Amino acid sequence: QVQLQESGPGQVKPSETLSLTCVVSGDATSSFYWSWIRQPAGKGLEWIGRIYANGNTNYNPSLKSRVTMSLATSKNQFSLNLHSVTAADTAVYYCARGDPPYYDFRQWGQGTLVTVPS
Amino acid sequence: QSVLTQPPSVSGASGQSVTMSCTGSSSNIGAHYDVHWYQQLPGTAPRLLIFGNNKRPSGVPDRFSGSKSGTSASLAITGLQAEDEADYYCQSFDSRGVVFGGGTKLTVL
Repeated sequence: QVQLQESGPGQVKPSETLSLTCVVSGDATSSFYWSWIRQPAGKGLEWIGRIYANGNTNYNPSLKSRVTMSLATSKNQFSLNLHSVTAADTAVYYCARGDPPYYDFRQWGQGTLVTVPS
Repeated sequence: QSVLTQPPSVSGASGQSVTMSCTGSSSNIGAHYDVHWYQQLPGTAPRLLIFGNNKRPSGVPDRFSGSKSGTSASLAITGLQAEDEADYYCQSFDSRGVVFGGGTKLTVL
């Protein structure tokens, strides 16, 4: 049974970098692709970006200038760095696995709330 | 502003049926990208409900069905039950990556 678990600080200061890690158990990160998705309180889902097993990345154009993702295959984990955060980045952050061939998200972490005070 | 447009809310009586829409454009749904649907109960992560426009993962009741035509997709739920009350999101792709709808809140009366 695949499990994804996000970890990271619950609060980040404005202008600093939000860093989260997703640990994958029961599966290898050397396949599929791995995404970060966020959800501000009371709002919808926003895709942040994805990283493939070969390290290639795609980012949401609206966040591209501030996002970097990395993959640590040996540790079965992948990470998100979101730079220069503001209060608008306050959200629940989910990691999720994109499953071929349809690349739907059928495996999700439980989500972690990150708050950026205004 | 989400790339895919969903009605903010729909409602239906217990036992009845509802349909909710997901409208995109020629850059996403209309470009022959697949549409997926997710159900999100309060305080939980989204759960995959429909993948590949009209396929159900194991464990999803056949009361849920999806369809796609042109630049739009729909999710239909028959035999509404109280536990269906949730937020529903459509998801597709464009040339730059993944796109979501803004979500539809389903109320079961």
